[in-house]
Amino acid sequence: GIQVEQSPPDLILQEGANSTLRCNFSDSVNNLQWFHQNPWGQLINLFYIPSGTKQNGRLSATTVATERYSLLYISSSQTTDSGVYFCAAVNTDKLIFGTGTRLQVFP
Amino acid sequence: DAGVTQSPTHLIKTRGQQVTLRCSPKSGHDTVSWYQQALGQGPQFIFQYYEEEERQRGNFPDRFSGHQFPNYSSELNVNALLLGDSALYLCASSPLSESYEQYFGPGTRLTVT
Repeated sequence: GIQVEQSPPDLILQEGANSTLRCNFSDSVNNLQWFHQNPWGQLINLFYIPSGTKQNGRLSATTVATERYSLLYISSSQTTDSGVYFCAAVNTDKLIFGTGTRLQVFP
Repeated sequence: DAGVTQSPTHLIKTRGQQVTLRCSPKSGHDTVSWYQQALGQGPQFIFQYYEEEERQRGNFPDRFSGHQFPNYSSELNVNALLLGDSALYLCASSPLSESYEQYFGPGTRLTVT
């Protein structure tokens, strides 16, 4: 089956810094989603991005489907950005999750 | 517009017992998927329901079963609980199509002692 890998596994930033999270997938996928999981476990939808680039405020994402990777950019990070970021590839209607990137933002 | 809801929020059970978790999908969604998230890992797909039938299933034993009702809500049942079943159980809903994104509920945290 499809494998989804995320890097880095952990990221520690000071408030105001920028960061790039990467998601690699092993085979062609029909779609890709990025989520932020808050400390209470809620998965919050960030982007639904099968290809191309999307932006939402300080966050943006780019998926290059032909090269099987996606990037999530966080600019001017804030403490509220802390949590775990997951990418998930859509395969036959089910989501295959990566292992996540744990982000900690300190003031 | 109500999002995906799940109940209960937390649950503590003893080994060998049975548990039922519940999920109501987002308005307009007819497909419900269940995921198990162990501590420190990404969610793992359990199964998906559409039109009251199990449409596809992940690599989980038969102790895990489900049901979908005519109003699209769903239940996840786990029999003969093991300590390893302790996890966050997440429900996701979407229209039936890979062209639509899935939305998740807040989850049910199950602890088996």
